[in-house]
Amino acid sequence: GAGVSQSPSNKVTEKGKDVELRCDPISGHTALYWYRQSLGQGLEFLIYFQGNSAPDKSGLPSDRFSAERTGGSVSTLTIQRTQQEDSAVYLCASSLGKNTGELFFGEGSRLTVL
Amino acid sequence: GEDVEQSLFLSVREGDSSVINCTYTDSSSTYLYWYKQEPGAGLQLLTYIFSNMDMKQDQRLTVLLNKKDKHLSLRIADTQTGDSAIYFCAEGTSGGSYIPTFGRGTSLIVHP
Repeated sequence: GAGVSQSPSNKVTEKGKDVELRCDPISGHTALYWYRQSLGQGLEFLIYFQGNSAPDKSGLPSDRFSAERTGGSVSTLTIQRTQQEDSAVYLCASSLGKNTGELFFGEGSRLTVL
Repeated sequence: GEDVEQSLFLSVREGDSSVINCTYTDSSSTYLYWYKQEPGAGLQLLTYIFSNMDMKQDQRLTVLLNKKDKHLSLRIADTQTGDSAIYFCAEGTSGGSYIPTFGRGTSLIVHP
């Protein structure tokens, strides 16, 4: 597609369940980012993938969070044993991977944990 | 670590100018950005400025950078209701992992 695609757009789950959020970046973009947007908290960096390098996981808030990127393209963010404080909009972005570049964001996946 | 601060809300009348301010702490910032987020949408790059510049103008948008004070502003001339959105300031540093740091966002409300 022309832009960054995320799914699902909305996810409601019960506390303790696992969830998977998917991101399909723009074709040819080597860098992929996950950010979390909570009410009043701005964008919180979670994880960064660049080409074949080891991902920068420094923003993941706990070991319940993990992400992978298969074949340098699609990425999946997994949250295990969800908690209510995980409720947020999870934004994925991709870029050409140069250190000057614009990030292109998807519309986000809104996660609500009951 | 790096920190980017913005005020949370700004309300202006249609036709007036809007000025959104941002401060950052990372003195090695190379690029400073303004992103716009409309309701229900992702962020879109509005404009950016290199750290060796003081000002950049792009149609109704003027970006001013005071590197000494680490202060960035975005001025929108002749603000329209369609400008109502959340505006995020972000900074990035070239070299190593390129992970822009974003502020909390300023909600701009434009009323008739």
